[in-house]
Amino acid sequence: GESVGLHLPTLSVQEGDNSIINCAYSNSASDYFIWYKQESGKGPQFIIDIRSNMDKRQGQRVTVLLNKTVKHLSLQIAATQPGDSAVYFCAENIINSGYALNFGKGTSLLVTP
Amino acid sequence: DAGITQSPRHKVTETGTPVTLRCHQTENHRYMYWYRQDPGHGLRLIHYSYGVKDTDKGEVSDGYSVSRSKTEDFLLTLESATSSQTSVYFCAIGGGPAKNIQYFGAGTRLSVL
Repeated sequence: GESVGLHLPTLSVQEGDNSIINCAYSNSASDYFIWYKQESGKGPQFIIDIRSNMDKRQGQRVTVLLNKTVKHLSLQIAATQPGDSAVYFCAENIINSGYALNFGKGTSLLVTP
Repeated sequence: DAGITQSPRHKVTETGTPVTLRCHQTENHRYMYWYRQDPGHGLRLIHYSYGVKDTDKGEVSDGYSVSRSKTEDFLLTLESATSSQTSVYFCAIGGGPAKNIQYFGAGTRLSVL
């Protein structure tokens, strides 16, 4: 079936460097995509979303890029901080399911001093 | 966690027993969702609700039922728990001012022995 996946299961970066987390999706009919951050023992926390008619969106220290040609989504975190250490999930909306989401398996980001 | 309370937070039960997990929201959001999270699978949609008494199935609905008698409460029931239902269960709400964004509770860790 169609699914959302991630290229790398783990990513280790040094504090202050930029991080890039990638995601591939296969449902070209999705209207929007969302990135979530999940810290240990907590529920996923919304970071940023992007609609399918956009190719870039910026937030505070984060940028999401959408390449519909190759069905690729990425999350860029600028000046990564220890507090950014978490698991990051990309998700796409499930068509005709009340805004329900189909999640990828997650990438673990570890920020080292 | 955006006015979302899940109870209980932890539960250990035996195979064959019924279990009910509760999700309570104070945000008056129209949509509510139950996901389960397992290693290697990310989050998977069990059931969702698009209004009082209006529910629908998700990807992994077998063995689960839900009920929504009030806007603020969404119950997930395992009629006869099995070991394969050992998981972390997350409730989410959506359909607020930013309709596509879901907000998650802190999760319920369920162990079926």
